[in-house]
Amino acid sequence: TQLLEQSPQFLSIQEGENLTVYCNSSSVFSSLQWYRQEPGEGPVLLVTVVTGGEVKKLKRLTFQFGDARKDSSLHITAAQPGDTGLYLCAGGPGQNFVFGPGTRLSVLP
Amino acid sequence: DADVTQTPRNRITKTGKRIMLECSQTKGHDRMYWYRQDPGLGLRLIYYSFDVKDINKGEISDGYSVSRQAQAKFSLSLESAIPNQTALYFCATSDLTGNLLDTQYFGPGTRLTVL
Repeated sequence: TQLLEQSPQFLSIQEGENLTVYCNSSSVFSSLQWYRQEPGEGPVLLVTVVTGGEVKKLKRLTFQFGDARKDSSLHITAAQPGDTGLYLCAGGPGQNFVFGPGTRLSVLP
Repeated sequence: DADVTQTPRNRITKTGKRIMLECSQTKGHDRMYWYRQDPGLGLRLIYYSFDVKDINKGEISDGYSVSRQAQAKFSLSLESAIPNQTALYFCATSDLTGNLLDTQYFGPGTRLTVL
């Protein structure tokens, strides 16, 4: 079974700060996704990365897929309270993907 | 209206009771999934269905059963609920996207408490 680890588990920062969260595995993934889950709602897809070394940007969010396709990072620039939520990575070969445990981010005004 | 709906949104029940959670979708997707979410464990797959005639066990199917009544409906049953099935349950749908991971569209979740 492929496993995904995420770090840190919890992160609390002030508005305007930058942060990076990580998703790691000992296995190679064909592609990887990042989701954000807000309280009382289901996860919503942010991005899919498929190529080793790939970097994608979504406004203030930058996603990177590791060269070996075993890890990924999410960097948020100038965090805002609206970024608060649980960030989940998911990866796998084909359709049999697994989710990491998530990083719970709190951005304080 | 939401594309993926779940009923009920909250349920409190007692040990040994039979519980059914229902999921409906208007996205027209063939693939549907049931997950449970526990703090610190992320989302774990219970069952999934790639079409009406296809049902597959996921990582943690013991104690659960499912029924795919139609393309749009996928229900999860706990035949005899136990306290460690207390969790947040999510239904999701996806559509085939070739070699990439499917994009999963999640419902709002059902919070189940088994006393």
